[in-house]
Amino acid sequence: GQNIDQPTEMTATEGAIVQINCTYQTSGFNGLFWYQQHAGEAPTFLSYNVLDGLEEKGRFSSFLSRSKGYSYLLLKELQMKDSASYLCAVTDSNYQLIWGAGTKLIIKP
Amino acid sequence: NAGVTQTPKFRVLKTGQSMTLLCAQDMNHEYMYWYRQDPGMGLRLIHYSVGEGTTAKGEVPDGYNVSRLNKREFSLRLESAAPSQTSVYFCASSYGTSGRQETQYFGPGTRLLVL
Repeated sequence: GQNIDQPTEMTATEGAIVQINCTYQTSGFNGLFWYQQHAGEAPTFLSYNVLDGLEEKGRFSSFLSRSKGYSYLLLKELQMKDSASYLCAVTDSNYQLIWGAGTKLIIKP
Repeated sequence: NAGVTQTPKFRVLKTGQSMTLLCAQDMNHEYMYWYRQDPGMGLRLIHYSVGEGTTAKGEVPDGYNVSRLNKREFSLRLESAAPSQTSVYFCASSYGTSGRQETQYFGPGTRLLVL
């Protein structure tokens, strides 16, 4: 079956760095997405990786290793507004998007 | 440019009642999706559409019907609501299904409670 694993919840301190991991087992691979979802709101696009390596976008970076079925989202200089759930999603060989359950990130002052 | 809009935002139904959720996008996207999101679970695809006049089943289609009214609008209908359909429903759209074109843009969601 197809599966995406993420930690359920993480806690970090304002100003610090946090890494949210995502491992996947899917039938084929055509890309990996990270979305941010604040409580009570819709998911919004953060990043897309299709090749191995690191993609940097401001305070957020996303890494992909296709051979390991592994990605992480790195958030630097954490701010209180970064408190949200972070969803990992993988496009399989049929171009269907498979979603992880999300990681709830709690930022403490 | 409103992006993706959904109506209603919140609804309470009694078991057996019917309702239609409406979604519209103004980004000229071909692909549209209906998801449900439940606590502790990932987004689950109910139905989707790859273009005007087309619909296809997703992961959890039972109990739901959809209609792609035109390029902009995609509706989701519950013919006889059940408590198991209590959830948050999201509509999304994308330009395509390849690479970055698959980036999905979501509406604000409809919170449905079935008693």
